[in-house]
This record gives sequence, C-alpha cells and structure tokens, in this order.
Amino acid sequence: AQTVTQSQPEMSVQEAETVTLSCTYDTSENNYYLFWYKQPPSRQMILVIRQEAYKQQNATENRFSVNFQKAAKSFSLKISDSQLGDTAMYFCAFYNQGGKLIFGQGTELSVKP
Amino acid sequence: DTAVSQTPKYLVTQMGNDKSIKCEQNLGHDTMYWYKQDSKKFLKIMFSYNNKELIINETVPNRFSPKSPDKAHLNLHINSLELGDSAVYFCASSRGLAGRGNEQFFGPGTRLTVL
Repeated sequence: AQTVTQSQPEMSVQEAETVTLSCTYDTSENNYYLFWYKQPPSRQMILVIRQEAYKQQNATENRFSVNFQKAAKSFSLKISDSQLGDTAMYFCAFYNQGGKLIFGQGTELSVKP
Repeated sequence: DTAVSQTPKYLVTQMGNDKSIKCEQNLGHDTMYWYKQDSKKFLKIMFSYNNKELIINETVPNRFSPKSPDKAHLNLHINSLELGDSAVYFCASSRGLAGRGNEQFFGPGTRLTVL
C-alpha cells in the first residue's frame, strides 16, 4: 500500500528564519507526483509546491523549495524567511497512477514573532 | 470569483437524519472529488468523478452517495447520519484525468456535526 509519512506533528520557527518539514513516502511506482498543501486556520487547502518524480531538479516557488530524494523516497519542504502568514497545517501528498491523492498526517507549523 | 464552492459551510444535524452537501466549480474542470478530514485533520479521498462518471470509490459506507448531474457539480448525500460522520468534507476539482499530476483545487470545506 502506498503511504505518506510526516514524522513531525508540530514545529515552530521564529519569523524570518528557515524551517524544513519532512515527508517520506512508500511506492513501487516510477512515475508519480508529489505536492505540499497548506491549510491555514481558515481551513482552505492551498497548493504550495509540486514536484514531478521524473524531474531531478528540485521545485522552487519563491520562499518555498523542496529537497526531493527519489531513491530515499523523501520529499522535504523548506520555507525560507518565514512569515507569520505561513502559520498553518502543512500536508505532503502523493499522487499515484490510479489518480488518488494520498495525504500524510500533516505538520502544524507555528511562526512566532 | 469563487473557483470551487460548497454549501453549506456548516451543518449541524441529529443522528439518523439525511443531509446533502453541494459542490460547484466554475473552472471548467472535468474531474471532481470528495474528501473527508477527520478530527485529527487526516484527509482521505472518498470519491472521484470524471465527466460525470465515477472513477474512484473508496471504502465508504453505502450511506454515502455522490451524484454528479453535470461536470460542474458533484453533490454528496448522506443517509442515516451517525456520530462518526462528524468531520470536515472537502470538494475538489482538477483538469483532466486524475493521475496525471494535475493540481486539485479545493473548496472551503463543510463542517458537519452530528449530535
């Protein structure tokens, strides 16, 4: 069975500092997609960043970047220059060939002033 | 301009009742989904429709029945509500067939509370 594991239920970071959220997954597929979604207190699910497994280059979106290690099945999210608005629940998700988006348990990130 | 909308946003009801949650998307997408987020914030897919056809049907009680009258709408009807059905239900949509990595756009969620 395909699984996504986020081993950090909660994390905190000071404003303007950098934080890395961990994610590992398990699959036997070779082609797949990985996502990080953010869920602020408003409850809205917002896509942060996406990575295609066949691309070796790590995806970046402004202050957000990933460290994708395909062999290790690891997909961590780095947030640089953390802002108060980054406070949210962050979900790592794996998109399999069957079309299912499988989510990790989430990491609750608090950015402190 | 709301992309994916759900009604109602909050739903409080008694055990045993039947209720529906409506979802509409104006993005022109042809694939729509229902997810359940439990009290521990764990998100799990329930159903997926592509062009009004059911393509993903997870292990969900028969009391849950999705209905897609057209590509822009996917409603969720729940019969004989139970306490364990209390959760936040999210509708989502994407362009193209699921599995090609297309971004899913989520609605604001419906918090269902069963008393």
